[in-house]
Amino acid sequence: AQSVTQLGSHVSVSEGALVLLRCNYSSSVPPYLFWYVQYPNQGLQLLLKYTSAATLVKGINGFEAEFKKSETSFHLTKPSAHMSDAAEYFCAVSGVGAAGNKLTFGGGTRVLVKP
Amino acid sequence: DTEVTQTPKHLVMGMTNKKSLKCEQHMGHRAMYWYKQKAKKPPELMFVYSYEKLSINESVPSRFSPECPNSSLLNLHLHALQPEDSALYLCASSSTGGEGNEKLFFGSGTQLSVL
Repeated sequence: AQSVTQLGSHVSVSEGALVLLRCNYSSSVPPYLFWYVQYPNQGLQLLLKYTSAATLVKGINGFEAEFKKSETSFHLTKPSAHMSDAAEYFCAVSGVGAAGNKLTFGGGTRVLVKP
Repeated sequence: DTEVTQTPKHLVMGMTNKKSLKCEQHMGHRAMYWYKQKAKKPPELMFVYSYEKLSINESVPSRFSPECPNSSLLNLHLHALQPEDSALYLCASSSTGGEGNEKLFFGSGTQLSVL
């Protein structure tokens, strides 16, 4: 079964500093991988997705992620944090075959941005 | 219109009540989903409807009963719930729900409290 693991349930960064959120996946086949963000009292919003077209994926709000097969990783980065980046971030992997529309989320990483 | 609308936003119900959660989208999407999210946890998939047919049921207790009256609407009927069912219930939709690489559009959720 497909799964993802997020390292670190909380990350604290200073405004203007690099944001790095870690995600490792387990999959028997080339995976489809996603990063979603959830702001307080809201649903989830897609930041970016990997679908094998390119290993470096650019998303919204200045985020990007790099797919590394050798490390089974899909870490999310942003060069300079803004206060508005404070939110919960979820890495996710989709199923395969008949379960292609089954999205499994990692445990989430809460980002705190300090002024 | 790129929104998924959920009503009500908040719901308090007793264990003997019957209530329904509603979800609506007008993006022409043919797959709709119910997720359950407990506080400080990732969303967990409950049901998937694809082309108005139930395609995935993640062994959800029968006190939760989904319904898809048409391609734009998704309901979740609740009956005889337990306090541990208190959570944020998220609805989502995607274009076709079969490819595994699709973006999910989430509603803001219904915060349910069972007393």
